Amino acid sequence: QVTLRESGPALVKPTQTLTLTCTFSGFSLSTTKMCVSWIRQPPGKALEWLARIDWDDDKHYNTSLKTRLTISKDTSKNQVVLTMTNMDPVDTATYYCARYTVTSEGFDYWGQGTLVTVSS
Amino acid sequence: QSALTQPRSVSGSPGQSVTISCTGTSSDVGNSNFVSWYQHLPGKAPKLIIYDVTTRPSGVPDRFSGSKSGNTASLTISGLQDEDEADYYCCSYAGSYTWVFGGGTKVTVL
Repeated sequence: QVTLRESGPALVKPTQTLTLTCTFSGFSLSTTKMCVSWIRQPPGKALEWLARIDWDDDKHYNTSLKTRLTISKDTSKNQVVLTMTNMDPVDTATYYCARYTVTSEGFDYWGQGTLVTVSS
Repeated sequence: QSALTQPRSVSGSPGQSVTISCTGTSSDVGNSNFVSWYQHLPGKAPKLIIYDVTTRPSGVPDRFSGSKSGNTASLTISGLQDEDEADYYCCSYAGSYTWVFGGGTKVTVL
């Protein structure tokens, strides 16, 4: 059974760096064609894809946010970490992690999301 | 990358069919076979219901179907049921290992 769970601070101040952790089970990120992405949804707005890390440690980023994002993985802990620098109130959103498999080309399992509010 | 365009809401009576459109550009939907759809109930994890434009994952009822023409992808729910009331999002590969989502459509079962 595949599960993913996001964790991190519920509140961050403007200009701070956000660190989110995705802890997953039921698959391994060392398995060929397995990937994990981060996706966010500001209140009342569209989903926005942020970043993806692949089984071979390739990393891909949203073009508009690339300079602020870093994605990494710890295969032994089954975790993926996303950091976003220079947080702003417009970054207030529910942040999801999701598995992506190159074979199905879709985000086939998602966590329930974690709400991050940016406010002083 | 601009969000794909979806209607804010669609509605139908039980048993009817509804279709949700997802309009992008020649850089994403029009140039990709990697269009997917997600069902999202409040407080729950989004669920993949269509991938590769038309393919249903195992366990997804066959009343959900996907298609694409030009820059517009569509999700059709045939034989609408009460439990189909949810938000639905499309997603497309946008090139250079990036993805773009739609704004979401609320489906209401009357």
